[in-house]
Amino acid sequence: GESVGLHLPTLSVQEGDNSIINCAYSNSASDYFIWYKQESGKGPQFIIDIRSNMDKRQGQRVTVLLNKTVKHLSLQIAATQPGDSAVYFCAEINDYKLSFGAGTTVTVRA
Amino acid sequence: DSGVTQTPKHLITATGQRVTLRCSPRSGDLSVYWYQQSLDQGLQFLIQYYNGEERAKGNILERFSAQQFPDLHSELNLSSLELGDSALYFCASSVGLAENIQYFGAGTRLSVL
Repeated sequence: GESVGLHLPTLSVQEGDNSIINCAYSNSASDYFIWYKQESGKGPQFIIDIRSNMDKRQGQRVTVLLNKTVKHLSLQIAATQPGDSAVYFCAEINDYKLSFGAGTTVTVRA
Repeated sequence: DSGVTQTPKHLITATGQRVTLRCSPRSGDLSVYWYQQSLDQGLQFLIQYYNGEERAKGNILERFSAQQFPDLHSELNLSSLELGDSALYFCASSVGLAENIQYFGAGTRLSVL
């Protein structure tokens, strides 16, 4: 299933379903955003980025949506797989600094 | 593999001690960043160096310091360690100064006993 709306710290998804991970950012002046995936015992891994002059960007099985009006980012993962189980962070860059959100732990059910 | 190398992977030490964490950036990257990740604080930006010079500072304590050497590797020095300094410390690197994708190393897990 999908989860939309407010940021959730955890998300449980059936394998094969689509996932939506939400993120609210804090600084309206931020103009570059990145989604990272962090698997257990590893460092954050780049997934996809988007600049503020765009509202949508697609990668391989992932789509990022940006709504500047409400300062909201979302990451959509299509056909979620067991290897997608991880913590997902959104991050905004402002004044050279990368600020991370709280993270959403995604668990994929077989 | 991100191409960013951090050593050591694990470090166990006692309160009051000093440790040095090392980071080698990806080949060609001029910027190095340090982050602290703890359970209650999440990922916190500490400091950034670009081509040997400090460029941005975050929530870095005065007991902590860093430098970037001419070969672009970086070291994070943590002194007068406290129990609360136990955390994962990540290094990241990027090509330029800003609005660049940062690639993270696997981290150093510091345990202060």
